[in-house]
Amino acid sequence: GQQVMQIPQYQHVQEGEDFTTYCNSSTTLSNIQWYKQRPGGHPVFLIQLVKSGEVKKQKRLTFQFGEAKKNSSLHITATQTTDVGTYFCAEENFNKFYFGSGTKLNVKP
Amino acid sequence: DTAVSQTPKYLVTQMGNDKSIKCEQNLGHDTMYWYKQDSKKFLKIMFSYNNKELIINETVPNRFSPKSPDKAHLNLHINSLELGDSAVYFCASSQAPGETQYFGPGTRLLVL
Repeated sequence: GQQVMQIPQYQHVQEGEDFTTYCNSSTTLSNIQWYKQRPGGHPVFLIQLVKSGEVKKQKRLTFQFGEAKKNSSLHITATQTTDVGTYFCAEENFNKFYFGSGTKLNVKP
Repeated sequence: DTAVSQTPKYLVTQMGNDKSIKCEQNLGHDTMYWYKQDSKKFLKIMFSYNNKELIINETVPNRFSPKSPDKAHLNLHINSLELGDSAVYFCASSQAPGETQYFGPGTRLLVL
């Protein structure tokens, strides 16, 4: 099946540092979604990007869709311990969602 | 009120057994999904139903059979459980196919 490449696999940061995860696809995407899964929890929808070059912000989180709609990034400014979890991108293709492998973020207080 | 609920939360069973997982959503959504998340946290879609009709059936062994009695429910029956079936199974729903998904809390299945 289709696999979305997501890097890095793990990221350990000190509280207050920034964090970025990247998602890359070999095909042009119609849209991309981002989800967060806390340890022991379930994926929770964060945002959807649709337009080429789109940038959306949610407080300390900045989401970007590449100009060619083949990649996306999630950037967290000044991480907090509440940001701990695994961040997934998900590309939609004919109503199927293909999730990236996820980036596990650990934030040291 | 829980939007998407699953039962049971935990399931420990022996190899060869048959088991079912149930999912219910009270969001009024038309589309429901089953995902499998393995120990490496890969989330893979298994099935999707829209208005009680199967619309997505990924490469899943025939031992897995989904059933949607109505739009609010999607159950998953697994025959002849194998060790490799151990995983967390998530149910999700969306207003329509391809739209934002809302996940249930997951069912942690352990096959011994």
